[in-house]
Amino acid sequence: AQTVTQSQPEMSVQEAETVTLSCTYDTSESDYYLFWYKQPPSRQMILVIRQEAYKQQNATENRFSVNFQKAAKSFSLKISDSQLGDAAMYFCAYRSARNAGNMLTFGGGTRLMVKP
Amino acid sequence: DAMVIQNPRYQVTQFGKPVTLSCSQTLNHNVMYWYQQKSSQAPKLLFHYYDKDFNNEADTPDNFQSRRPNTSFCFLDIRSPGLGDAAMYLCATSKAGGFSYEQYFGPGTRLTVT
Repeated sequence: AQTVTQSQPEMSVQEAETVTLSCTYDTSESDYYLFWYKQPPSRQMILVIRQEAYKQQNATENRFSVNFQKAAKSFSLKISDSQLGDAAMYFCAYRSARNAGNMLTFGGGTRLMVKP
Repeated sequence: DAMVIQNPRYQVTQFGKPVTLSCSQTLNHNVMYWYQQKSSQAPKLLFHYYDKDFNNEADTPDNFQSRRPNTSFCFLDIRSPGLGDAAMYLCATSKAGGFSYEQYFGPGTRLTVT
């Protein structure tokens, strides 16, 4: 079974600064997908960014980028130019390519606080 | 806009009194999921429907049941809520197969058990 670990329960960043959230996972599979989801307080969970394991190039979405290290089984999220609206719980998630039902394995989450 | 809708957003029930939470979607996705999320924790999958096929997680208590009368709607029934069932319940949908078919989440229903 796959496991996803987020070692930072809480992180804090100054507005306009850069922060990196860590995620490691354990799998014996070679083909899979990784996601970062954001859950703001009292608001619904939304997808921030995704990465295909077979792609070496790190995914980027505006201020959000990932550092995907397949051999190390590491998938960190970098948020540049942090904004107050980035304050949320962030969940790293894994999905096997063989999983037809798009089932996700979530990490425990990291609460990001943004200081003005 | 296509979306996942959950009603009600807040539900208060009494200990042992059956309660039903509802989810509807306009995305025409064939997979629907129910998660339980407790404070500051990751969502925990209870079960999912792949089309009409119901898939229960091994550790989901029998107290939790689900119905999916059609593609658009899915219900979560808690037959005899206990205090430990107080949580946020999230509904999500996805289109089976393919990389880009992420899960789309509803806003959740916060359940309080008194």
